[in-house]
Amino acid sequence: AAGVIQSPRHLIKEKRETATLKCYPIPRHDTVYWYQQGPGQDPQFLISFYEKMQSDKGSIPDRFSAQQFSDYHSELNMSSLELGDSALYFCASSLDSFYNGELFFGEGSRLTVL
Amino acid sequence: AQKVTQAQTEISVVEKEDVTLDCVYETRDTTYYLFWYKQPPSGELVFLIRRNSFDEQNEISGRYSWNFQKSTSSFNFTITASQVVDSAVYFCALSDLTGRRALTFGSGTRLQVQP
Repeated sequence: AAGVIQSPRHLIKEKRETATLKCYPIPRHDTVYWYQQGPGQDPQFLISFYEKMQSDKGSIPDRFSAQQFSDYHSELNMSSLELGDSALYFCASSLDSFYNGELFFGEGSRLTVL
Repeated sequence: AQKVTQAQTEISVVEKEDVTLDCVYETRDTTYYLFWYKQPPSGELVFLIRRNSFDEQNEISGRYSWNFQKSTSSFNFTITASQVVDSAVYFCALSDLTGRRALTFGSGTRLQVQP
């Protein structure tokens, strides 16, 4: 069965650079969530989209932005990268945000900022 | 505000021992979902179970079992006859039923199963 696809799986950037992470949800899933997991930390919710509109916002820095496209894939754009942005970034998708069933997580994108 | 507490930071057991991971939650919602996820060393988050607040029945799946007690706001997870492959970080999480609010995770419990 198709799962949530994230790319790239690994990314190394320098401070002050920009990074873009992509997420392809499971087909027919209409809701996408982004999480950030720092080393030894629990995943922290960043932002979510339902039917291409932002539906909820968590602890996403102003330097970050995200959107969901017409094909339901989502991109997380991170600018002016800082050392503290080094983390595992998860995307998750679900069907029908009004019934929060199982969230399917991707394998994560590991960002290292040097 | 929602909060999930996993007081056990790290647990170490010997293979074949039973182990229980504790989870206590706080929410003002009357209806909500509780989850357990496993994060092995490879990093992915593996879904284990979802339980809604209406259903207090305990659940068993193979060596895994879950004890949901609304009266004490707890959702504990027991692994019977643990195996080395169970070594991972386990997260308990909470969400409201509208689906618009994302999961709130606990800080995780690292389980080490020694051979």
